[in-house]
Amino acid sequence: KAGVTQTPRYLIKTRGQQVTLSCSPISGHRSVSWYQQTPGQGLQFLFEYFSETQRNKGNFPGRFSGRQFSNSRSEMNVSTLELGDSALYLCASSVNMNTEAFFGQGTRLTVV
Amino acid sequence: TQLLEQSPQFLSIQEGENLTVYCNSSSVFSSLQWYRQEPGEGPVLLVTVVTGGEVKKLKRLTFQFGDARKDSSLHITAAQPGDTGLYLCGHPTSYGKLTFGQGTILTVHP
Repeated sequence: KAGVTQTPRYLIKTRGQQVTLSCSPISGHRSVSWYQQTPGQGLQFLFEYFSETQRNKGNFPGRFSGRQFSNSRSEMNVSTLELGDSALYLCASSVNMNTEAFFGQGTRLTVV
Repeated sequence: TQLLEQSPQFLSIQEGENLTVYCNSSSVFSSLQWYRQEPGEGPVLLVTVVTGGEVKKLKRLTFQFGDARKDSSLHITAAQPGDTGLYLCGHPTSYGKLTFGQGTILTVHP
């Protein structure tokens, strides 16, 4: 069974631009969560979607947003990029909350 | 927010040595999870512990959940270079949210 797929794997953007990252969950998984990973802050929760609804949100500014489609695929968007947004963005899928989460390989975003 | 403190932050050892990684908190957890993340990959779940005092073994890895369910440890026996990676403890909170410790970067030298 295919794992969680994140695209693109690597991205370089300029300050002020916006970016969209994509996550395709494991077939049958309806919960998709997003995380930001940096050396200084570690793994930080961004938000979680289930059946196209955002059920939970972390402590990030409104520049970070997401959505989920009817096929459970999810996208996250970061507008007005800042240098500090450089990070590995990870997506995890699970059948529902409190079931095992499977992570994708992540998208490495570099803001210059 | 239930904070998780992991120690040590970095561990560099020779192949064949034993090591222990700790995950501590002042809060009580219903469960704790341990993940390993290799370079260029996402975290992979190793084990979930749910009962105070529980001990789980995964080949050379032994996981323990404290009696009071506030702390956990991961012990690796006879470490191998393939054990190199970032080890994270985490716990599920509300909808789909996992809260993680800062992680322990383990390097095992051949």
